[in-house]
Amino acid sequence: KAGVTQTPRYLIKTRGQQVTLSCSPISGHRSVSWYQQTPGQGLQFLFEYFSETQRNKGNFPGRFSGRQFSNSRSEMNVSTLELGDSALYLCASSLGFLAGSETQYFGPGTRLLVL
Amino acid sequence: AQTVTQSQPEMSVQEAETVTLSCTYDTSESNYYLFWYKQPPSRQMILVIRQEAYKQQNATENRFSVNFQKAAKSFSLKISDSQLGDTAMYFCAFRGDEGDGGATNKLIFGTGTLLAVQP
Repeated sequence: KAGVTQTPRYLIKTRGQQVTLSCSPISGHRSVSWYQQTPGQGLQFLFEYFSETQRNKGNFPGRFSGRQFSNSRSEMNVSTLELGDSALYLCASSLGFLAGSETQYFGPGTRLLVL
Repeated sequence: AQTVTQSQPEMSVQEAETVTLSCTYDTSESNYYLFWYKQPPSRQMILVIRQEAYKQQNATENRFSVNFQKAAKSFSLKISDSQLGDTAMYFCAFRGDEGDGGATNKLIFGTGTLLAVQP
């Protein structure tokens, strides 16, 4: 099976712009989560989707949003970019939530640089 | 709130030797899952091993094994016969059973341990 894919892999934006990142989960996986990784804050949970519904959201401002489509693919959007949004954005997918299906597998990440 | 602590920012081990990475966590939940992930220089996060809290038996995956002490809330990773390819950042992660919206796969990560395997 193909792993989790994320596009684009690298992105350079300027302050004030917006950006959309895409994630395609492993085939059959219905749960998708997003994480932000920075040297200062480490790995932080952004949000989680299952069956097109946001189930959980981390402590991030409303500039960060996401959605999930009927084929389980997910996108996240960051509006009005700030320098501090520069980070590696990781997407992870899992089958579901029951024991044995909860393990998350990560994509290669999208590295966002905000200038 | 759950927390995960990795007290060793960096470790070094000789090739073929054994190394243990430490992780402690704090939670009031009785059922949860613990994971070790590795992140090599490529930045790809790779699952190493998984442990279910209700299972007494320590998980093992080839050269990787854990020492899970539920009462002490400790979850250490032992790497035997270390190989150069084991050089990576290792993250301990906690997954509880319930979030605000019910069941959740949200992971809480430690700050990581950078492991260098020396030839």
